[in-house]
Amino acid sequence: AQSVTQLDSQVPVFEEAPVELRCNYSSSVSVYLFWYVQYPNQGLQLLLKYLSGSTLVKSINGFEAEFNKSQTSFHLRKPSVHISDTAEYFCAVSAPSGGYQKVTFGIGTKLQVIP
Amino acid sequence: DAGVTQSPTHLIKTRGQQVTLRCSPISGHKSVSWYQQVLGQGPQFIFQYYEKEERGRGNFPDRFSARQFPNYSSELNVNALLLGDSALYLCASSVGQGSSYEQYFGPGTRLTVT
Repeated sequence: AQSVTQLDSQVPVFEEAPVELRCNYSSSVSVYLFWYVQYPNQGLQLLLKYLSGSTLVKSINGFEAEFNKSQTSFHLRKPSVHISDTAEYFCAVSAPSGGYQKVTFGIGTKLQVIP
Repeated sequence: DAGVTQSPTHLIKTRGQQVTLRCSPISGHKSVSWYQQVLGQGPQFIFQYYEKEERGRGNFPDRFSARQFPNYSSELNVNALLLGDSALYLCASSVGQGSSYEQYFGPGTRLTVT
């Protein structure tokens, strides 16, 4: 079985301040890791992913996440947030399970950027 | 290219009724997955279909069923609706069914059961 824990349900942060959204996972097999963003009344958009190789992955809009196998974590960071980053962020793990791609999501972290 | 499309956008049903939700994957994608997202929660996996066959099923009752058509579009059916079925239903498509394939999500169908 696999699970994802997002430790913070809401994170308020001032504009241009740094932010870290925490994600820890549990799995008995090797996993792939993802961060998705969901804006109000919209579906999920992939922000970044870790499949293999470099443990630090970056998105085009300034977010980055680092895979830490020993701590089973995949925290999301941004050095300077913008108002437009206000959204809900979901961490997800994907692993083979009985021949299909099982994706498990965390409960989400609402990022509120304060002007 | 068009992304994943879902219809209808919103739906209101009464307890005990049946509902059918539809999903069209991105052209070339052969795998479709369905998720239920209850307000305040992360998406929960319902089904995955690949090449028109069910490949995986989450912990949902038999009232939930789905199918995939030869053109790879998909329908999710829910019978005997309960108030607790009110949620955003998300469809995601990917090229293949492996864990490394990126899933692309549609905008979802908001189902309200009264």
